[in-house]
Formats: sequence, C-alpha cells, structure tokens
Amino acid sequence: EAGVVQSPRYKIIEKKQPVAFWCNPISGHNTLYWYLQNLGQGPELLIRYENEEAVDDSQLPKDRFSAERLKGVDSTLKIQPAELGDSAVYLCASSSRTGGDTGELFFGEGSRLTVL
Amino acid sequence: AQKVTQAQTEISVVEKEDVTLDCVYETRDTTYYLFWYKQPPSGELVFLIRRNSFDEQNEISGRYSWNFQKSTSSFNFTITASQVVDSAVYFCALKTGANNLFFGTGTRLTVIP
Repeated sequence: EAGVVQSPRYKIIEKKQPVAFWCNPISGHNTLYWYLQNLGQGPELLIRYENEEAVDDSQLPKDRFSAERLKGVDSTLKIQPAELGDSAVYLCASSSRTGGDTGELFFGEGSRLTVL
Repeated sequence: AQKVTQAQTEISVVEKEDVTLDCVYETRDTTYYLFWYKQPPSGELVFLIRRNSFDEQNEISGRYSWNFQKSTSSFNFTITASQVVDSAVYFCALKTGANNLFFGTGTRLTVIP
C-alpha cells in the first residue's frame, strides 16, 4: 500500500514569491491534515479536511495561506506571498475515520521550504 | 489547555545501552490519548504507540516499552539495547476529545556505534 505522497521534497524561493505543495493521501483515508514543522519543534496543525470540507482551519494564516481538497482526495497548500518566516517543513498526513478519532495518523516525508 | 513537555532536547547513547525518553503532559480532560511518534532522518513521522487515559497498564513491544503514570502525568518511553537505526527524533503527543494531536518539541536520540 502506497503511503502519503508529497511534492516537492525541497523548494527554495525568494521572499514574496508564491509556492505550492501537493499531497496525495493513503487511498481510502477521508481525513487529511497539513502540519507546519519549524526547526527543532513539533508539528503544528494548519488545517484538517474531512473529505473535501475544511473542518479546522483555525491555525491557518489566511492572509497568505490557502488550501484546497476539491475532490476529497489530493490536496494543495499554497503560500502567496512567501515570507522569510515561512521557511519550515510542511507535512501532510492522512487518517481513516477511526484513526482520526484516536490520533493514528500517517505522515508523508514533508516538503522543506527555504525562503531567501 | 493542553501541554506536552519533553525536557530532553538531545540524548546520545552508545549502541546497546538502554535509554528512556521522558514526556510530561497537562490536560484538564479526564479522557485523552497519549502517543509516541518517531521521525527518522527521512522526515516522515511514524506512529509507535497510543494509550488512552483509562489504561495505565505498561506495554512492551520488542525492545520498546512504555510507562504511563497518571499520578505524575508522565508517559515515558524506553528503548532497550539501543541500535543505530533507533537514531531519530521522538515526539510525544496528546489528544483530547475532538481536538487535534498536540505534539511536544521532540527529543533527538543519537545512537553511537
């Protein structure tokens, strides 16, 4: 069974440029998460989807961040414009319905963003 | 409010030594789950274990064991006879009710051959 797939693995951009990250969750997982992981810190939730609905986006900085999961499968996270402080690893995770209730998430390898 | 404290930022041990990773949590909820996740150098977090707040029975899985003590709000993780492949960052996490996972800051374990 394929795991959570993310791309790109690495991205280097200049500040004020846009950037997008893509995530394909495990087949059949209805819940998808985007996490932000700063260096030396634990992951922090940005947004959670149940199918195509964003059920928790309270931590998403909506002035520059946006996300979509149009068909309830893969998802895109966008930053426009990027700032220096956005340099971090962006992790995608997915879970089954029961896994989401009990916290068993499956993570991708992450997309490491460097903003110059 | 939820809080997870992993006071050990980095630990280094020599291969075959035992090592314990500490985790202290805070929550006002009586029902919650505690977790350990492993993040190897490749980057993806890997689920290791989940315990619910009503089950304080310690658990052993191969070289891994977990000690859950509600009296001290701790959920410590011990690796016996450590191996180089155990080198990773280990995160303790807490989940209450419908809330999302709340992670600690992690402990970087380096096992020296």
